[in-house]
Amino acid sequence: EVQLLESGGGLVQPGGSLRLSCAASGFTFSSYVMNWVRQAPGKGLEWVSSISGGGASTYYADSVKGRFTISRDNAKNTVYLQMNSLRVEDTAVYYCAKENRAQLARALCDIWGQGTMVTVSS
Amino acid sequence: EKEMTQSPATLSVSPGERVTLSCRASQYVSSNLAWYQQIPGQAPRLLIYGVSTRATGVPDRFTGSGSGTEFTLTISSLQSEDFAVYYCQQYNHFPLITFGQGTRLEIK
Repeated sequence: EVQLLESGGGLVQPGGSLRLSCAASGFTFSSYVMNWVRQAPGKGLEWVSSISGGGASTYYADSVKGRFTISRDNAKNTVYLQMNSLRVEDTAVYYCAKENRAQLARALCDIWGQGTMVTVSS
Repeated sequence: EKEMTQSPATLSVSPGERVTLSCRASQYVSSNLAWYQQIPGQAPRLLIYGVSTRATGVPDRFTGSGSGTEFTLTISSLQSEDFAVYYCQQYNHFPLITFGQGTRLEIK
């Protein structure tokens, strides 16, 4: 069974940092682009970042560019999101999501984790 | 920005009814249009991609259609488990990915 399990969320002060992890299982992890999508409380979905299967290519939404860094460890089947200079508006549930087709980068997500909550507040 | 506009924001319907949800793109997105379903408290679920291709395990009462900038999701006979929020997403302009603001289906 294909599964994604996020961890690392929590409460952090504005300007602080947090690293999210997403452990994957049940598929050939290194063949797939992985994505992070977030959802602020009571709001819609916002794509945050994507990373290619080998990790060489990364993509970011303008709202997080320069503050967030996506990376992956294919030996551990894990993708990360390092979040620095956090703002109140970054408060959201962060979902890790698998790309629908191998080798393609489209942020078309067919498997989602359960999400991890990040709260930025003083 | 490549905006996606969904209508209506909320739809109150009875089980067994047929419903149509709309999604309009501010720019041409070809056939790179997907629909997701999100039940409150759960992660989104991919329903439709490529405008009309159902994802694995999606019942055939869900039908996607449209082209260019105008798209619809039709549910032929609403079941209790279909009451949720539905989002459209364009992925034609990756990495400029955008979702619609969602349509909430409520039980009348």
